[in-house]
Amino acid sequence: GENVEQHPSTLSVQEGDSAVIKCTYSDSASNYFPWYKQELGKRPQLIIDIRSNVGEKKDQRIAVTLNKTAKHFSLHITETQPEDSAVYFCAYWSGTYKYIFGTGTRLKVLA
Amino acid sequence: EAQVTQNPRYLITVTGKKLTVTCSQNMNHEYMSWYRQDPGLGLRQIYYSMNVEVTDKGDVPEGYKVSRKEKRNFPLILESPSPNQTSLYFCASSLTPGQGAGELFFGEGSRLTVL
Repeated sequence: GENVEQHPSTLSVQEGDSAVIKCTYSDSASNYFPWYKQELGKRPQLIIDIRSNVGEKKDQRIAVTLNKTAKHFSLHITETQPEDSAVYFCAYWSGTYKYIFGTGTRLKVLA
Repeated sequence: EAQVTQNPRYLITVTGKKLTVTCSQNMNHEYMSWYRQDPGLGLRQIYYSMNVEVTDKGDVPEGYKVSRKEKRNFPLILESPSPNQTSLYFCASSLTPGQGAGELFFGEGSRLTVL
């Protein structure tokens, strides 16, 4: 079936360190892989996305990598700051016209 | 301002009392969708709509109905709410996925409690 496994479910890092969140998906027809950040009490918001024709995309301290062969994609946050603390969701656009979300990673950046 | 607006933001109701959560977007998006968010389960899709009068079930449609009579509106209807529908609900919209999926814009969320 359509699903995406996201790990870890919680992640604590020291301020300034890097954080990596990994997702594995099942639908080989997928061609769009977004990442959403949800701050406490707020709505999810897109922070970065990648399409299947590229393997990596960067936006300042945030990067996403995609391995279509292995059906993995990962979010990398460098030089973490307290404001990076939030829940992060990976997702992909399935071949059946649905966005499939992971179960989320709660990131805590310790000052 | 481009936005997705849903109402009510908070609602406490009782089992069996029909309710509707409204959702409206002003971005001329064709794709609209409803999700519920529960602890440890992430965002699960309830229903989605590719265009006016075109709706389909997501992963957890039981107990819900939707309609898409106009492009901008996509209400979620709970005909006979039950306590297991207590959740945080998000409406979202995006440009035509068929032309290449794009960013989902979420509403602010509606927290529903069914007693």
